Amino acid sequence: QMQLQESGPGLVKPSGTLSLTCDVSGVFVSSTKWWSWVRQSPGKGLEWIGEIYHNGNTNYSPSLKSRVTISIDQSKNQFSLKLTSVTAADTAVYYCASPKWLRGELDCWGQGTLVTVSS
Amino acid sequence: QVVLTQSPSASASLGASVNLTCTLSSGHSSNAIAWHQQQPEKGPRYLMKVNADGNHIRGDDIPDRFSGSSSGPERYLTISSLQSEDEADYYCQTWGTRIVLFGGGTKLTVL
Repeated sequence: QMQLQESGPGLVKPSGTLSLTCDVSGVFVSSTKWWSWVRQSPGKGLEWIGEIYHNGNTNYSPSLKSRVTISIDQSKNQFSLKLTSVTAADTAVYYCASPKWLRGELDCWGQGTLVTVSS
Repeated sequence: QVVLTQSPSASASLGASVNLTCTLSSGHSSNAIAWHQQQPEKGPRYLMKVNADGNHIRGDDIPDRFSGSSSGPERYLTISSLQSEDEADYYCQTWGTRIVLFGGGTKLTVL
């Protein structure tokens, strides 16, 4: 059974770079599916950040595209998120998620990790 | 670009049934959607996929108290025999060629 687990610093300084990793178990990241990052600011709804395919192709949210990079490391069976020039507005719980098949419904979620942007 | 619209809140009594609605924007009434549940202080949990023809496919271990249906651009989540643990936020989600989107969520209160 597939499992996802986010990890990374819980505190990032303003103007810095947020970096998170999603460890995948139970399936290879080389599988034919798109791997997503989603975030949720305190008290707010779910916001899709972007996704990556096993060959490195990416799609990003238009509102975050200029600051986001998602990458994949097949040797470590993980994919990663980098968000640059962060502000307090980027404080959120960050989730990695994936669909059962190629794309579509996100049926597997990590437990989430809180990232706070503060000096 | 597709937009998903959900009512901010809903309420129903313990043991009753409730319908939550997710409306697809014009031109996107053939989209399938997914429903996710988020209980307080927890991460999202996938409930089901609902197709435009009303067929729904529940996720693993999702009880059959949860069902889905469709009518035109609207996708429904019906929860029957409401339990206290059903009090949660419910989000619909869809996807396009290069994008994934969520509705704003509905906060369900079980009275």
